[in-house]
Amino acid sequence: DQQVKQNSPSLSVQEGRISILNCDYTNSMFDYFLWYKKYPAEGPTFLISISSIKDKNEDGRFTVFLNKSAKHLSLHIVPSQPGDSAVYFCAARGAQKLVFGQGTRLTINP
Amino acid sequence: DTAVSQTPKYLVTQMGNDKSIKCEQNLGHDTMYWYKQDSKKFLKIMFSYNNKELIINETVPNRFSPKSPDKAHLNLHINSLELGDSAVYFCASSPTSTSTDTQYFGPGTRLTVL
Repeated sequence: DQQVKQNSPSLSVQEGRISILNCDYTNSMFDYFLWYKKYPAEGPTFLISISSIKDKNEDGRFTVFLNKSAKHLSLHIVPSQPGDSAVYFCAARGAQKLVFGQGTRLTINP
Repeated sequence: DTAVSQTPKYLVTQMGNDKSIKCEQNLGHDTMYWYKQDSKKFLKIMFSYNNKELIINETVPNRFSPKSPDKAHLNLHINSLELGDSAVYFCASSPTSTSTDTQYFGPGTRLTVL
């Protein structure tokens, strides 16, 4: 039973355009959400997070939006750059642990 | 300077063997984790240790035994390896066991059981 899902395994975006990565969750008890970025042969690295009491958090080119009623969060990257090509994992906190989705591979095309 | 390191990076072994994966962090963190990335690419927590004490133990076969000799090290020993154990195993650490703390991941160990 996967409580956090990223239904798009891959996404291809033109350089300079907006990238939107989506994540859905089922557990309404999750109170904190994170995005991690992963390059090949490396471990995931923390990117941005949001508390469930907020609906938006922004950090430079990265913005995370949370829609609690829909149990949906999204990561917006604008403008997208070639170095953003990576796998992006969303994660949710519940019961003292993080639950991860399966990742979305983002490719930024020049 | 590697913050969280794992050895080996790749491990190929036969069914039934026993193997260990080592993890070390030089960040001075109190909490360390083992995750398994399965064939469907989900990252799932297996164990968490805080100051050498086990705090999270997910539903993992008891063939998997973590050992934390000190708070900078968390090793994973696997007995009687099975085909289904093939996966990428990630070690991670965080300053405390508070799950809002950022977790720092190692590069992963790809285990292949033949």
